[in-house]
Amino acid sequence: EAGVTQFPSHSVIEKGQTVTLRCDPISGHDNLYWYRRVMGKEIKFLLHFVKESKQDESGMPNNRFLAERTGGTYSTLKVQPAELEDSGVYFCASSQEPVYTEAFFGQGTRLTVV
Amino acid sequence: LAKTTQPISMDSYEGQEVNITCSHNNIATNDYITWYQQFPSQGPRFIIQGYKTKVTNEVASLFIPADRKSSTLSLPRVSLSDTAVYYCLVGDREKLTFGTGTRLTIIP
Repeated sequence: EAGVTQFPSHSVIEKGQTVTLRCDPISGHDNLYWYRRVMGKEIKFLLHFVKESKQDESGMPNNRFLAERTGGTYSTLKVQPAELEDSGVYFCASSQEPVYTEAFFGQGTRLTVV
Repeated sequence: LAKTTQPISMDSYEGQEVNITCSHNNIATNDYITWYQQFPSQGPRFIIQGYKTKVTNEVASLFIPADRKSSTLSLPRVSLSDTAVYYCLVGDREKLTFGTGTRLTIIP
């Protein structure tokens, strides 16, 4: 069974540009989460989808970040325009049940804004 | 959300049993205790979860005392491949709250 897949694995963009990260969850997992770790900080929750609906987006830092999950399958996280402080590793996770059971994480996308 | 406290780092020799203790004094009645492992350049990986007493799986054991204010992750006979960061998480909400974790280094 394929795990959670994230694209790209690395991205380097200039400040002000737009970047779109993609996450393919494990097939059949209704719950999809985005997390990120910025330099030197802890892994922080961004948002949670249940199927195509945003269940909790309390962790989204500002309106430069837009997450979508059309059709309840893969998800995208767009940063527009990117700022230097957006640099970090963005993780996606999915689970069949709510996350107090086992959540499966992707390998992450390392975003560098220069 | 309950705050967790765990050692920043630990070293152990191969073949030994490693115990990592996590304090969570403000744990709520509905909270579960979950441990994740993270290798460099990878996402966190679920290890074990419990609510009370003892839980054991093929990877680790989790010991939780009656008051649930702490928990101990036990890794039997560690190997070099167990070198990683281990996170203790407490909560019942539909999002994980990661702390700083414990960086475990296994020495040959």
